[in-house]
Amino acid sequence: GNSVTQMEGPVTLSEEAFLTINCTYTATGYPSLFWYVQYPGEGLQLLLKATKADDKGSNKGFEATYRKETTSFHLEKGSVQVSDSAVYFCALSGGSARQLTFGSGTQLTVLP
Amino acid sequence: DAGVIQSPRHEVTEMGQEVTLRCKPISGHDYLFWYRQTMMRGLELLIYFNNNVPIDDSGMPEDRFSAKMPNASFSTLKIQPSEPRDSAVYFCASSSSGGAETQYFGPGTRLLVL
Repeated sequence: GNSVTQMEGPVTLSEEAFLTINCTYTATGYPSLFWYVQYPGEGLQLLLKATKADDKGSNKGFEATYRKETTSFHLEKGSVQVSDSAVYFCALSGGSARQLTFGSGTQLTVLP
Repeated sequence: DAGVIQSPRHEVTEMGQEVTLRCKPISGHDYLFWYRQTMMRGLELLIYFNNNVPIDDSGMPEDRFSAKMPNASFSTLKIQPSEPRDSAVYFCASSSSGGAETQYFGPGTRLLVL
C-alpha cells in the first residue's frame, strides 16, 4: 500500500536559515504529491503540490521537486521566517480513491 | 468562498454523553473526508464520502462512531457514548473530482471528553 515517511522533528532554526524537510514515499502507479502546513490552532492548508515526475511545486518561497527515481519530495526554503513556524505534512494521492496518505508531520520552530 | 465550515469549534463533554460534530463542505465539492488528529496517532482518516455515499469507513475506530451525509452540503460525525480516549481534534475536508486531488480542510473541532 501507499506510505509516506517524513523527517522526524522537531526542527528548530534561526530566522533566515535554510530549511530542508525530507519526505520519501512508497506508492503504486504515479501519485500526486503534496505538502500541507498546519499553523497553531488551525486546520491543514495546502502549501504546494506536484502531479508528475520532475514537476516542481512552489509557494511562499517554499519548493519541492517530485523525484521519481528517489521516490522523494523534499521541502526546501532558502530563508525561513518566524511566521513559518508550523507543522508540515507530506502527503500523496493516487488512483481514483481520492484518499490522501499523510506523513507523521514535522514541527518547525523558527527563532528570531 | 467560505471554505469548509465546522461546528462547534470546541466541545467539552462528560464520558457517556453523545457528541455530534458538523461539517459543511465547499459548494460543488463531491468528496468529503473526516479525520481525527491526536499527538499519539497523528492524522487518521476515519471515513470518506463521494456524492453523499460512504465509500470507505475502515478507519472508524468502533461502533460508537457513526457518520452521515444526508445531502451535498452537510455531514455529521457522531460519537455515542463518548469516552475520554475520543478526545482529539476532528477535521472535515472536501475535494472536487473535477480537479486535482487537493483536499481543503476545515478549522477542526477540538473535543475533550472528561
